[in-house]
Amino acid sequence: GAVVSQHPSRVICKSGTSVKIECRSLDFQATTMFWYRQFPKQSLMLMATSNEGSKATYEQGVEKDKFLINHASLTLSTLTVTSAHPEDSSFYICSASILFNEQFFGPGTRLTVL
Amino acid sequence: QKEVEQNSGPLSVPEGAIASLNCTYSDRGSQSFFWYRQYSGKSPELIMFIYSNGDKEDGRFTAQLNKASQYVSLLIRDSQPSDSATYLCAVNGYGNKLVFGAGTILRVKS
Repeated sequence: GAVVSQHPSRVICKSGTSVKIECRSLDFQATTMFWYRQFPKQSLMLMATSNEGSKATYEQGVEKDKFLINHASLTLSTLTVTSAHPEDSSFYICSASILFNEQFFGPGTRLTVL
Repeated sequence: QKEVEQNSGPLSVPEGAIASLNCTYSDRGSQSFFWYRQYSGKSPELIMFIYSNGDKEDGRFTAQLNKASQYVSLLIRDSQPSDSATYLCAVNGYGNKLVFGAGTILRVKS
């Protein structure tokens, strides 16, 4: 149980385009979903916390107009990187949790912006 | 002071030995503690969580928590080359967030 999927697993796009990443909890309803970013050889950096039906809460320094998060249901959250630039290239990982229990991570999406 | 601190390593142990990974945290109000394993290029996977002082065992893994000392550790018995990965300690924070340490690289040599 507790499976989280992400799509796509890998995406390459041109600078200036927008990219949407989907995160789904497959066998449970997640009260909260989280979006992280990880640069090479660094730890996870929390970008935002997302609850179904409400606006996401962004961490300090994360541009909410650039990283759009939509949490449409208890099993789906999306992250859209708008007007992507090469510095946005990173490994984006979502996680999902039930109430205040452990977080289960998706497999991640590797974004490369040319 | 970082909220969750781990020795970055690498920690090298021979196959079959016990690997001991340590983590300290700064928030005395933390209630939940997690150990994740992350292979290179992959996302973290949950190994264990612990809420109460003492030891919690699951197969070859034992988590140890000492809230008075703000210390949590992970022991891996009979270490295997497949255990070579980065181990992330995480502590619950405000709003159900997890605060991660920078991770300890473990290398198990055959």
